[in-house]
Amino acid sequence: SYVLTQPPSVSVAPGETARIACVGNNVGSKSVHWYQQKAGQAPVVVIYYDSDRPSGIPERFSGSNSGNTATLTIIRVEAGDEAVYFCQVWDTNTDHVVFGGGTKLTV
Amino acid sequence: EVQLVESGGGLAQPGGSLRLSCATSGFTFSNYEFNWVRQAPGKGLEWVSYISRSTIFYADSVKGRFTTSRDNAKNSLYLQMNSLRADDTAIYYCARGFGGFAFDIWGQGTMVTVSS
Repeated sequence: SYVLTQPPSVSVAPGETARIACVGNNVGSKSVHWYQQKAGQAPVVVIYYDSDRPSGIPERFSGSNSGNTATLTIIRVEAGDEAVYFCQVWDTNTDHVVFGGGTKLTV
Repeated sequence: EVQLVESGGGLAQPGGSLRLSCATSGFTFSNYEFNWVRQAPGKGLEWVSYISRSTIFYADSVKGRFTTSRDNAKNSLYLQMNSLRADDTAIYYCARGFGGFAFDIWGQGTMVTVSS
């Protein structure tokens, strides 16, 4: 089955740039979606189809996807960005949705 | 306002059954696909099931035990869970599909605990 690997944690100071990687075999050929989950809340989509940003999501959030790595980038990180971030794809070989294990962003 | 509201969670015994519901409002239900996603305490997200107008997919961990259905007249989604096991303990979310397999709207979740 298809596997997405994320680092368990990333720590940055306020105002810095956070980069969260999502590694999967030829993930660049798939569409990657990113979700933010704050403590005690349901997930919220922050990036879909690799790099599109839903309305209401700050421009500080961006995404890229190439080769074996998709990346969520958050510039000018704020305390309110502290959350767990999950990447997600649809695996056409198994007709399954696959989530990465999640990365806890500490600010 | 677009809303998804889950209900039906609670305590079930191993081997028992529960039926979750997801009531929706604020959009044309029949035009969308939906998913169930669960999250065990302190763990990550695990996809459970997908349903479109004519297609249903299940995760291997629930196939044969869980059944997803929808009622377009009632704008609702359902998850019938049978032969429950302790490792089915989780918060269960319903999520609206966007462009197929991105999830743009999530419910607040309903907790399912399987324990004797």
